[in-house]
Amino acid sequence: NAGVTQTPKFQVLKTGQSMTLQCAQDMNHNSMYWYRQDPGMGLRLIYYSASEGTTDKGEVPNGYNVSRLNKREFSLRLESAAPSQTSVYFCASRGTITSGELFFGEGSRLTVL
Amino acid sequence: DQQVKQNSPSLSVQEGRISILNCDYTNSMFDYFLWYKKYPAEGPTFLISISSIKDKNEDGRFTVFLNKSAKHLSLHIVPSQPGDSAVYFCAASVDPGNQFYFGTGTSLTVIP
Repeated sequence: NAGVTQTPKFQVLKTGQSMTLQCAQDMNHNSMYWYRQDPGMGLRLIYYSASEGTTDKGEVPNGYNVSRLNKREFSLRLESAAPSQTSVYFCASRGTITSGELFFGEGSRLTVL
Repeated sequence: DQQVKQNSPSLSVQEGRISILNCDYTNSMFDYFLWYKKYPAEGPTFLISISSIKDKNEDGRFTVFLNKSAKHLSLHIVPSQPGDSAVYFCAASVDPGNQFYFGTGTSLTVIP
C-alpha cells in the first residue's frame, strides 16, 4: 500500500531553472495538497485541489503553479526557481474535504543554488 | 504572522514519564485541531484530533486537551517511550474542510 508517492526525493537546481514535482496517491482521495517546510516556519500550504479539476491558492503560492492531472495525480511546478524556494516539499491527500486527517508523502528536498 | 505557535522547539523526557507538548493559537475562529508526528526523512503522520465541542480526546497513550478561552491546546503522552522521539506539529483550521495552519514543531527526545 503505497499511499502518497512523491518524486523526485532530492533535486538540485540552478537559479532560473524549471522543474516539476510529481505526486500520486492510491487511496482514491478527492483532495490533494502541496506544503513546504522551512526551518522555524512549520508547514505552509502552497496550493491545494479540493477535487479533480479544481485548484486553489494557499498561504504561499507565489512562484509556483499546479496541475491536478486526474484524481490520483497533483503536480507542483517551479517555472523559474529562486534560492528562496530551497525547501522540503510535502504532498498530502485527504479523503473528503470535510475529513480532517491529511496523509503525507515522504517529502522532496529541493535546493536552488 | 504565525497563527499557530509552538514556543518550545525541543523537549527531553525520561522514558516512562509524561511528555507535554504545547500549542497556542491566535485565531479565535479555529475550532478543529490536529497533532502530527514526524520522523526524519519521512512525512508527517496523523496522531490525534479534537474539535471545539470537546475539551479532551484520548487515544491510547495520547491525550489532547483544548482550552478555547486560553487559545491553547496540549498533547500528553503517557508513558513516554523512546520510539516517541520525533518532531510534533499541531495544526488548526476554522473547520475540517478549510486550510490547516501548522505550528513550527517541537522536537521530543525520550531518553531511555
